[in-house]
Order: sequence, then structure tokens, then C-alpha cells
Amino acid sequence: NAGVMQNPRHLVRRRGQEARLRCSPMKGHSHVYWYRQLPEEGLKFMVYLQKENIIDESGMPKERFSAEFPKEGPSILRIQQVVRGDSAAYFCASSYTGLQGAYGYGYTFGSGTRLTVV
Amino acid sequence: DAKTTQPTSMDCAEGRAANLPCNHSTISGNEYVYWYRQIHSQGPQYIIHGLKNNETNEMASLIITEDRKSSTLILPHATLRDTAVYYCIVRSGGSQGNLIFGKGTKLSVKP
Repeated sequence: NAGVMQNPRHLVRRRGQEARLRCSPMKGHSHVYWYRQLPEEGLKFMVYLQKENIIDESGMPKERFSAEFPKEGPSILRIQQVVRGDSAAYFCASSYTGLQGAYGYGYTFGSGTRLTVV
Repeated sequence: DAKTTQPTSMDCAEGRAANLPCNHSTISGNEYVYWYRQIHSQGPQYIIHGLKNNETNEMASLIITEDRKSSTLILPHATLRDTAVYYCIVRSGGSQGNLIFGKGTKLSVKP
């Protein structure tokens, strides 16, 4: 029973290029969350998606960032025209339901994608 | 969601119990207490959660005070691999959406 799979583990992009980060949730999970962690800082929520729907994107920067979770395939976090400040670890989590507590085990996180912009 | 307060850092000797406190004085009746940890460079890992009763699993125990204003995560026999940042999060059981991570407690287990 594979966990949350994120790829690539490491991604290097030059300034101005596009970065595409992929997240395959655990089997049976239909809720996906993306978080960003800047060096030496805490985890910051970015976006919450269900299949084919964005539920909460309150943590997404207004420009250059987008996310999708299609009916088939992984969730994608896309960063256009990357800048050095986008260098961070990006974590994806999935859950069976978006409801917390009553349904037990919380979220399962992937190992992250470390984006370096040079 | 209720705000939580945790010490910035703690040390623990290997093999001893690590007791990590968390204050959540504004917790409301339907809010659960969750604990996660993040070992360096890895994704956060769920540890345990509870509503009002004490909970135990293979990783840890969670002790919640009777008034639910604070809780303690207990790692009964800490190992070097338990060195991590531990996050206490309070979240409504009926709500959807993201977990909000604070700064957590950096636990250093020393030989």
C-alpha cells in the first residue's frame, strides 16, 4: 500500500522556467493538500483540492502558481516563471475525507519535492 | 481553530521518556488535538490525536487534561531517531480543509 508519492524529489530550474510538481495520493484518498516550507521556516498551507475541484486556494500566491487535481492522474502544482524566492520544499498530503478528527488518522504526507531555482 | 502554544525546544536523554507539552486554552468542544512530527528534510508524520480521553498507540501516548486546555505528548522511550520538530494542532472535527502548522517544539534526543 504505497503512501503519498511525490516526484521529482529534487528539481532544479533556472529563473524564468516553469516547475511542475506531481503528487499521487494514497489509494482511496480523494483529497489533496499542498504545503510549502521555506528554508528554516514552518509549513505553510497553499491549496486544498478534491478531484477536479479547488476547494481552498487561500494560501496560493496570486500570480504564477496554479494547481489541479484531474479526474485521472496525479495532482500537479505548477509554478510559472520561477524566481529564487520560490526555492523551497513543497509537500503534498492526502486524506480519505476532508473532515478531521472523527475519521481518524489525519493526513498522510509525501516526502516532498525540493525546488532549487538558480 | 484554537491557537496552540508549545516550547520552542526541548532536550531528552536517549531511553528516557520525552514529555512534550501543548497549551490550547481556547479549545472548543468539538476540536480535536492532533500531533505530527517532522524529521529533518522529511514530510510531516501523523503521530496521534484525541478529543478528551487519553490515547495510546504504538508511537506515543496523548494525555489531555480534564478541562482540555492543555495536553502532553509522551514518547515513552525516546531514541535518537525521535529527534524532530513536533507540532500540536487543534482542529475542529466537523470542518474540512487544511491543517495549520505552528512553529512546533524542536526535540533533541541526546545519547
